[in-house]
Amino acid sequence: GQQVMQIPQYQHVQEGEDFTTYCNSSTTLSNIQWYKQRPGGHPVFLIQLVKSGEVKKQKRLTFQFGEAKKNSSLHITATQTTDVGTYFCAGPSGTYKYIFGTGTRLKVLA
Amino acid sequence: DVKVTQSSRYLVKRTGEKVFLECVQDMDHENMFWYRQDPGLGLRLIYFSYDVKMKEKGDIPEGYSVSREKKERFSLILESASTNQTSMYLCASSLSGRSGQYFGPGTRLTVT
Repeated sequence: GQQVMQIPQYQHVQEGEDFTTYCNSSTTLSNIQWYKQRPGGHPVFLIQLVKSGEVKKQKRLTFQFGEAKKNSSLHITATQTTDVGTYFCAGPSGTYKYIFGTGTRLKVLA
Repeated sequence: DVKVTQSSRYLVKRTGEKVFLECVQDMDHENMFWYRQDPGLGLRLIYFSYDVKMKEKGDIPEGYSVSREKKERFSLILESASTNQTSMYLCASSLSGRSGQYFGPGTRLTVT
């Protein structure tokens, strides 16, 4: 069946360092979504990418959708302690469902 | 802002009890979802609904049922709770099949 994998599973960075998480799908995706879940919180929708090769920025966060629409990345420039949490990607499966990746847990050391 | 509320943040139930988890959204969203989240297993879809009275099984529906009698409300029912249903349960809603999902705060259910 369709799978969405994320790497790395965990990442510890010093505050100020950059961070990247990668999302890979076993099938071509019509779009991809990214979510952030703070420790003890619930997932919060960040963004959706639709076009092949699309790049979107939200302040220090840069999201990219691969040319083949099978992979995506989230890059954070100069991490801050507020970036701590787990980042999930999600790809559509059928009309309504989304399959969530396993997530990358980011820890930022001050 | 979309608001998704869940009836309880924490719940403790005994094995064999019938458990109701309620979810309400206030943004007239068409779709609603129930997930469970377990360490190392990520978010797994239990059931979803794309319209009132419509429901479809997700990836792990066994032991659960759902009800959507009104557009804003989606209930998850554990017919006979078991210890392996101890988990964090998250409700979500979305405007359409291709829009972002908005999650409630979650219910941490413990079955003893």
